Amino acid sequence: KQEVTQIPAALSVPEGENLVLNCSFTDSAIYNLQWFRQDPGKGLTSLLLIQSSQREQTSGRLNASLDKSSGRSTLYIAASQPGDSATYLCAVHTGTASKLTFGTGTRLQVTL
Amino acid sequence: NAGVTQTPKFRVLKTGQSMTLLCAQDMNHEYMYWYRQDPGMGLRLIHYSVGEGTTAKGEVPDGYNVSRLKKQNFLLGLESAAPSQTSVYFCASRTEQVGGYSNQPQHFGDGTRLSIL
Repeated sequence: KQEVTQIPAALSVPEGENLVLNCSFTDSAIYNLQWFRQDPGKGLTSLLLIQSSQREQTSGRLNASLDKSSGRSTLYIAASQPGDSATYLCAVHTGTASKLTFGTGTRLQVTL
Repeated sequence: NAGVTQTPKFRVLKTGQSMTLLCAQDMNHEYMYWYRQDPGMGLRLIHYSVGEGTTAKGEVPDGYNVSRLKKQNFLLGLESAAPSQTSVYFCASRTEQVGGYSNQPQHFGDGTRLSIL
């Protein structure tokens, strides 16, 4: 059974800092990995999707990497801003019908 | 841009009552999913559908039923609500893969907060 772990569970950084969020998964037979953002009381917003054949994806200040063989992904956020404060979730797609297995998330707070 | 819309947004039920949660998407997506989110446990898949008229069980299907009579709607039913079903429920949808690659993200609604007393 696929298990997804995110470390740390919570993180507080001052504005402007670069930071890395970690995601690990136990079964390397994945089709893709997604990073989501969740604001309090809201749904999930897809940030980046990395296919299993890719090593990284970039969108603005966000960069996600994937090392499928070691079961790891990182989300790098450059020059953090207070508006980046949210919970970040990673999820892996394994099996048919694009079923996702989620981690429990990292709650990020960016302070002024 | 409506995307994925969930109805209702909040609901309080008594143990034993029944209710239906509605998910509607206007993106003509083939795949639809129901998840529940509980503190410390992440999102877990309840049921999913790969097309109109089809449904399948996910990781935690017990106590729930679903129907996909129309492509744009995916209904989640609780026949006899239990306190253990207190949770936030999320619906998601996704289009088919493009070019044989698994490159399409899931799109989520804003959730239904359900409390069962």
